[in-house]
Amino acid sequence: NAGVMQNPRHLVRRRGQEARLRCSPMKGHSHVYWYRQLPEEGLKFMVYLQKENIIDESGMPKERFSAEFPKEGPSILRIQQVVRGDSAAYFCASSQGGSNTGELFFGEGSRLTVL
Amino acid sequence: QKEVEQNSGPLSVPEGAIASLNCTYSDRGSQSFFWYRQYSGKSPELIMFIYSNGDKEDGRFTAQLNKASQYVSLLIRDSQPSDSATYLCAVLSGGSYIPTFGRGTSLIVHP
Repeated sequence: NAGVMQNPRHLVRRRGQEARLRCSPMKGHSHVYWYRQLPEEGLKFMVYLQKENIIDESGMPKERFSAEFPKEGPSILRIQQVVRGDSAAYFCASSQGGSNTGELFFGEGSRLTVL
Repeated sequence: QKEVEQNSGPLSVPEGAIASLNCTYSDRGSQSFFWYRQYSGKSPELIMFIYSNGDKEDGRFTAQLNKASQYVSLLIRDSQPSDSATYLCAVLSGGSYIPTFGRGTSLIVHP
């Protein structure tokens, strides 16, 4: 499958635990975007990364959230000390270059539930 | 703050009818406009994009753009039950690499 791969698809955490979400972009793509989607809401931009660089993190909460896209391996969105409000679907998307065409290819999402 | 507004719906149309989905945006510098379809529990997928004022047709889908009115729409002709999904409008400002999404409009096509 050459598409965007996200795992885990579903993750359950208790308040205070850490959540790690992984995203492998489409083959040949070097740019990764993370979006969050709450029920009945649209996609909210979080962070845009290239390999080893964070290009734009203006949508990331200042605390507890971090993202990386190392030279080798998937991009990781990390949420420390999760709270119930973090429960959402987290979508990763990739593009070949910077998405100045706006076309993003999305993964199936990781659905985080915080108990 | 760049905003993209959509009526959340649901919009309900009978099979075979034309479904009209609308989107307005706040940033006059917006240059590229996209419609994504998202089935329940699935990922968004791009179905149409438009850059210039006017209409763009692709099969049963037509995107319409009016930059003066800051308005973009998606028409689906001969609607099918399989078109039932949430349609997300996305807007890209000039010089930006980050599309801004609306909250989506839920479309229900009933037999």
